Parts: sequence; C-alpha cells; structure tokens
Amino acid sequence: QLQLQESGSGLVKPSQTLSLTCVVSGGSITSRDYSWSWIRQPPGKGLEWIGHIYDSGRTYYDLSLKSRVTLSIDRSKNQFSLTLKSVTAADTAVYYCARIRTNRNWFDPWGQGTLVTVSS
Amino acid sequence: SYVLTQPPSVSVSPGQTASITCSGHKLGDKFVSWYQQKPGQSPVLVIYEDDKRPSGILERFSGSNSGSTATLTISGTQAMDEADYYCQTWDINLLFGGGTKLTVL
Repeated sequence: QLQLQESGSGLVKPSQTLSLTCVVSGGSITSRDYSWSWIRQPPGKGLEWIGHIYDSGRTYYDLSLKSRVTLSIDRSKNQFSLTLKSVTAADTAVYYCARIRTNRNWFDPWGQGTLVTVSS
Repeated sequence: SYVLTQPPSVSVSPGQTASITCSGHKLGDKFVSWYQQKPGQSPVLVIYEDDKRPSGILERFSGSNSGSTATLTISGTQAMDEADYYCQTWDINLLFGGGTKLTVL
C-alpha cells in the first residue's frame, strides 16, 4: 500500500525559506501514470494546490505561488521536496503531499500533513 | 480565474440522502473529484472522474456532473459521514471548492 510522509521545518521566520520533503513508501516514485503534488490548508480554511512534479522533473505550479515555489524530485531516495521562499504569516498552513493521477488530476493517497507556522 | 462554488453547510437526518453541490462555468466539460476530510485528518478521495468510486469507498457515495454543477450524493447517511467535503477540478490551475460541512443531525 502506497504511503506518503511529510517532514521538515515546523517553524519558519518571516522572509525565510520553507523546506519540506515527502518520502514515498510502498511503491516507486517513478511512474508514467502518476506525478507528485503539494497541497496546503491554512488553519480553519480550505485546500490550496501548490504544484506537482513528474518523475522526469517537469513541474506545474499554481500561478499565484509560481514566483516563490520550487519542487524537486530525488528518484534514488524515492522522495520529492518543496521549497517556498520569502514566506509570510499567510503561508502558515498544514502542508500535505499527495500522489496525482496524470491527465485526470485527482489526488490519492495523501500524506498525514505537517503544520508549518511562520512566526518570528 | 475559474471558481468552484460549494454551499458552506448541508444538514441531513440519519438514513436520509445528502446532496452536496459544486458549481462552476461549464463544469460538466471537466472531470470533478470529491474529497472527504474529518477533523484532524487528511483528505480522502471518495469520487474521481465525476462518478467513479475508489476501492474501499462505500457504495453509498456517488457522483454526477452535468452542465455547470457537479453533485456528491450520500445515500443512507450515517453519523460517520459527518465531515467536510471538497470538490476539485482543473482549469489553468488545479483548484478546490471552498468546502461543505456536512452535519448529520
């Protein structure tokens, strides 16, 4: 059974860079049918797609975050990563990683999520 | 930019049918997915590609999509179905609806 697990810094200072990693277990990150995504959820609010990355390294980003986001993938470690630079309090959220079905764009499964707080 | 609109809340009596709608411009021309999120938990896919049900999801969950509205229907609603539900599609961006809180009274 495929499982995803997020890890990274839980507290980031304003203007600094948020970094998270998602480790994929129970299956290979190399796939023609799926790519790998990050989604976030501010406290008490809805879900926001951040971007996704194919095993080839091709990326798609939400237009509103594109200037600050970078996704990367490490096939040797079966993991992918998110960096978000110049963070503000508005970036405080639970960050989820998830697998996304190519060309059909549905997310399954999801990681358990990790809370990132932006505060000085 | 494209917007998906959901009612903030829906209430249903146990055993009755709950319908949660999701509206967007020509939404019927796109694939819609639905996610269930219980408090403190990650979202779970319950419907994909408008009306397909992932393995392990109960048959009480069904979906449809036509015109400008997609609908998630939960038949014989139970207390365990109480959760937030999000629809999702893609336009230029991948996007989610604002979510609907389902209350089973």
